[in-house]
Amino acid sequence: DAMVIQNPRYQVTQFGKPVTLSCSQTLNHNVMYWYQQKSSQAPKLLFHYYDKDFNNEADTPDNFQSRRPNTSFCFLDIRSPGLGDAAMYLCATSREQGTYEQYFGPGTRLTVT
Amino acid sequence: GDSVTQMEGPVTLSEEAFLTINCTYTATGYPSLFWYVQYPGEGLQLLLKATKADDKGSNKGFEATYRKETTSFHLEKGSVQVSDSAVYFCALSTGGGNKLTFGTGTQLKVEL
Repeated sequence: DAMVIQNPRYQVTQFGKPVTLSCSQTLNHNVMYWYQQKSSQAPKLLFHYYDKDFNNEADTPDNFQSRRPNTSFCFLDIRSPGLGDAAMYLCATSREQGTYEQYFGPGTRLTVT
Repeated sequence: GDSVTQMEGPVTLSEEAFLTINCTYTATGYPSLFWYVQYPGEGLQLLLKATKADDKGSNKGFEATYRKETTSFHLEKGSVQVSDSAVYFCALSTGGGNKLTFGTGTQLKVEL
């Protein structure tokens, strides 16, 4: 089945130690998104790629970066994780920009110790 | 800015009960409205959507009507099942853009 895959499902990192979360998709969608969801809060968009064009949300901290080396893969890099970055990170895709359905992966739960 | 407000959970119902989860929004322009569902251990899935006023989205027995006058998009189902137990998120997007603004989610528990 075509899908959005996130690895790992659970990630533990130490305070200040860089960490990378990965997302892959078999849907061949043009747009890929990263959301952060803290406990009991709404998912919050961090940034998205439309093809190779990177679009950062204005309030996304500089500590968060992203790479999209090809259509299928997108990475979320947290350069120096703080305790406040512990959250569920959701990857999503959509076929095109606009009000197209977004397809979500299962998420990666990040713990910072 | 845009925002979505949902009723707090958890909502606990008996099987075959009627479900309403309230959702109201604040947005500039004319948003598209969505309900997403997240089953335990899975990602969010689109449940239904409506793109203009008075549209009714429906899927799997769930319905929601886009009410511009009350800025609401309440989710309803006539008879819930245990398998409907999940977290339900109301969301909007505006201007044909990519950004989904979510509510905080409402957990539904359906018991036999």
